[in-house]
Amino acid sequence: EDKVVQSPLSLVVHEGDTVTLNCSYEVTNFRSLLWYKQEKKAPTFLFMLTSSGIEKKSGRLSSILDKKELFSILNITATQTGDSAVYLCAVESGGGADGLTFGKGTHLIIQP
Amino acid sequence: DAGVIQSPRHEVTEMGQEVTLRCKPISGHDYLFWYRQTMMRGLELLIYFNNNVPIDDSGMPEDRFSAKMPNASFSTLKIQPSEPRDSAVYFCASSQGDPEAFFGQGTRLTVV
Repeated sequence: EDKVVQSPLSLVVHEGDTVTLNCSYEVTNFRSLLWYKQEKKAPTFLFMLTSSGIEKKSGRLSSILDKKELFSILNITATQTGDSAVYLCAVESGGGADGLTFGKGTHLIIQP
Repeated sequence: DAGVIQSPRHEVTEMGQEVTLRCKPISGHDYLFWYRQTMMRGLELLIYFNNNVPIDDSGMPEDRFSAKMPNASFSTLKIQPSEPRDSAVYFCASSQGDPEAFFGQGTRLTVV
């Protein structure tokens, strides 16, 4: 059974801090790893990673994948209150768009 | 495009009643996914369709759950009879065959 584990489950930091969110996985036939941000309703897509060691970056957010050690990290620098959300890690395995296996998420709270 | 549209946004129903959740995917997307999100289990894939055909329903918890996609622009998830443990947020998502799925705003179901 595919498994995705995120840590920590919850994190509270002050505005301006840098945070690192972790995602480890055990899946058969790994294809890609995705990060989503869920604020109040629908998860919204952040990154998709398929290759080890290549950093994806979007503004203050960045992410990298290690396919040997089976994990990914999501970094957020100079955090702002608008970054408060649940960050979900998901892994695509098997063939085609077979749906994603999600972790339980990291609930990030940025205090002013 | 308005994105993935789900209805209703909230539903409260009594145990034993039939519940029908509705989804309109993004036009042109040929994959449609139904997910369920709870605090305990996170986001779980229930079933997905490709070109209106159910491909994998192994995530459907039991026979009380059924899903249909009569055409490319509409899908339903039905629970009959509903039970309190079915209370969750149900998400519909669609994609064009790549893993980046676009999520609807979800239906929050409460069964009392």
